[in-house]
Amino acid sequence: GIQVEQSPPDLILQEGANSTLRCNFSDSVNNLQWFHQNPWGQLINLFYIPSGTKQNGRLSATTVATERYSLLYISSSQTTDSGVYFCAVEQTGGFKTIFGAGTRLFVKA
Amino acid sequence: GAVVSQHPSRVICKSGTSVKIECRSLDFQATTMFWYRQFPKQSLMLMATSNEGSKATYEQGVEKDKFLINHASLTLSTLTVTSAHPEDSSFYICSAREPSGGTYEQYFGPGTRLTVT
Repeated sequence: GIQVEQSPPDLILQEGANSTLRCNFSDSVNNLQWFHQNPWGQLINLFYIPSGTKQNGRLSATTVATERYSLLYISSSQTTDSGVYFCAVEQTGGFKTIFGAGTRLFVKA
Repeated sequence: GAVVSQHPSRVICKSGTSVKIECRSLDFQATTMFWYRQFPKQSLMLMATSNEGSKATYEQGVEKDKFLINHASLTLSTLTVTSAHPEDSSFYICSAREPSGGTYEQYFGPGTRLTVT
């Protein structure tokens, strides 16, 4: 099956700093989503981005499907950005969504 | 965005009893829902795919007789953990796909934390 790798596994930032999270996948995908899991466990949809670039406030994402990677950019980080960021993909020809291991982000005040 | 609810949010049960978790899509119809479990500091692992009106499809290694899934309507799927044991303690999360404009974005419920004593 498809492999999804996220990097870095852990990240500590000072408030106000910028960061880039990466998601590599081993096969072509129909769908790709980025989620933020808050401390209470709720997964919050950030981007649905099988290809191209999207922006939403301080967050933006880019997926280069032909090179099998996606990037999540967080600018001017805030303490409320802390949590785990997951990349999840649906393989082309498949139906189920596979999650990466996540990037655990802690933003210090 | 679409809203998915789960109930209960937290449950404690005794070993050997059964627990039912409900997953509802509140503002859209979901022909397909998914059930995941998540252990502390780990990623989400897909347990099964729930299809309205038909049998669920279980992932390899997931006991279908232990984790009963029923997708009775386009807005409700239930997961019943039968004869629960302490090793079944985990965070269970459901999701639903909202087909809209050719995309299939997944939305997740808030999760159910199960503790088996």
